[in-house]
Amino acid sequence: GENVEQHPSTLSVQEGDSAVIKCTYSDSASNYFPWYKQELGKGPQLIIDIRSNVGEKKDQRIAVTLNKTAKHFSLHITETQPEDSAVYFCAASPFGNEKLTFGTGTRLTIIP
Amino acid sequence: DTAVSQTPKYLVTQMGNDKSIKCEQNLGHDTMYWYKQDSKKFLKIMFSYNNKELIINETVPNRFSPKSPDKAHLNLHINSLELGDSAVYFCASSRKVGIQYFGAGTRLSVL
Repeated sequence: GENVEQHPSTLSVQEGDSAVIKCTYSDSASNYFPWYKQELGKGPQLIIDIRSNVGEKKDQRIAVTLNKTAKHFSLHITETQPEDSAVYFCAASPFGNEKLTFGTGTRLTIIP
Repeated sequence: DTAVSQTPKYLVTQMGNDKSIKCEQNLGHDTMYWYKQDSKKFLKIMFSYNNKELIINETVPNRFSPKSPDKAHLNLHINSLELGDSAVYFCASSRKVGIQYFGAGTRLSVL
């Protein structure tokens, strides 16, 4: 089955700086890669996703890059703000398959 | 209106008891899920239903039994609760293939 590794497990960034979280996956059949943000006491919420026919996708301060050959994908947050502090999860699944395999999460702290 | 709602939000119970968690979605989605998040925040799928039919059943003790009375509801019943069942349980829903929307979670504490 799919195995998703995520690094780092914790990340502290000065407000205004950029944050990068990296994930690798094992199953070459995976082609859907969402990123979720989980705030304290809440459920995970999708912030951005990418499919394997695309190498990069941006949405305002958030971007995701995908390298299918190396089987890794990354989340980039620019101009970080205090409200970006949360736990971030990457995930992977084969297209047409509802089963998401999640990474182990990254606790991002933005230092004012 | 809350898209995916779970009840109760907190559940504290003794070992050996039986308990249920309810989930409802008002998004018109066909597929619903149960996930378990342990104390280290690791999020793992337990079950998935599509149009009331079980499609994903991970390696979960058979003390856990999901029930889907209709497309909008997926409940989780747990028999003979054990200490290791303590976790946060999340319900989610999606179209057959699409973004999964999560509920706020049910924190289960088994004493």
